Amino acid sequence: NAGVTQTPKFQVLKTGQSMTLQCAQDMNHEYMSWYRQDPGMGLRLIHYSVGAGITDQGEVPNGYNVSRSTTEDFPLRLLSAAPSQTSVYFCASSPRADTQYFGPGTRLTVL
Amino acid sequence: GQQVMQIPQYQHVQEGEDFTTYCNSSTTLSNIQWYKQRPGGHPVFLIQLVKSGEVKKQKRLTFQFGEAKKNSSLHITATQTTDVGTYFCAGQSNQGGKLIFGQGTELSVKP
Repeated sequence: NAGVTQTPKFQVLKTGQSMTLQCAQDMNHEYMSWYRQDPGMGLRLIHYSVGAGITDQGEVPNGYNVSRSTTEDFPLRLLSAAPSQTSVYFCASSPRADTQYFGPGTRLTVL
Repeated sequence: GQQVMQIPQYQHVQEGEDFTTYCNSSTTLSNIQWYKQRPGGHPVFLIQLVKSGEVKKQKRLTFQFGEAKKNSSLHITATQTTDVGTYFCAGQSNQGGKLIFGQGTELSVKP
């Protein structure tokens, strides 16, 4: 099992550009989440999904969209990148909405 | 909304000294989880506590869940350089609900 995979590992964007961060898991987990990690702020929940076709907002959803068309994939879309979105983004999956299995992360810089 | 506060933000210890990090929630929790993130890595699940007053041990690590299920602690006895990293608590207010992370405690260990 590859576990949770994320692409790309690094990305640099200009303000106003859009992009999609990819996340996939091969553990057949129902729950998937996106977090951003900023110094001194811990991990903040952006969006999460409790199953294919179902998504909900977390603590900091503004500027991000998600969809969950399959159990395996949970992409995160940045609609119009802003410097405040410079962060490390982690995707996580969970079999029962408790233990989170994290991917390796995507380091995003917005200029 | 639900908040999870974690202190201290940083802790520097000499190898062999003990270390404790504390976690407090603004609401009663269904469960609390602890994660460790090595420098440059992703968070890795350590343990979950569910019962009021629960105490669990993993070798030199001792985890406690408060009687009111609003606070928790992680204690490391006789730290080693391999303990270096950031320790996060994460609380869930009800089963299947959002998992809210504390800000984390960054532990450095001087050999």
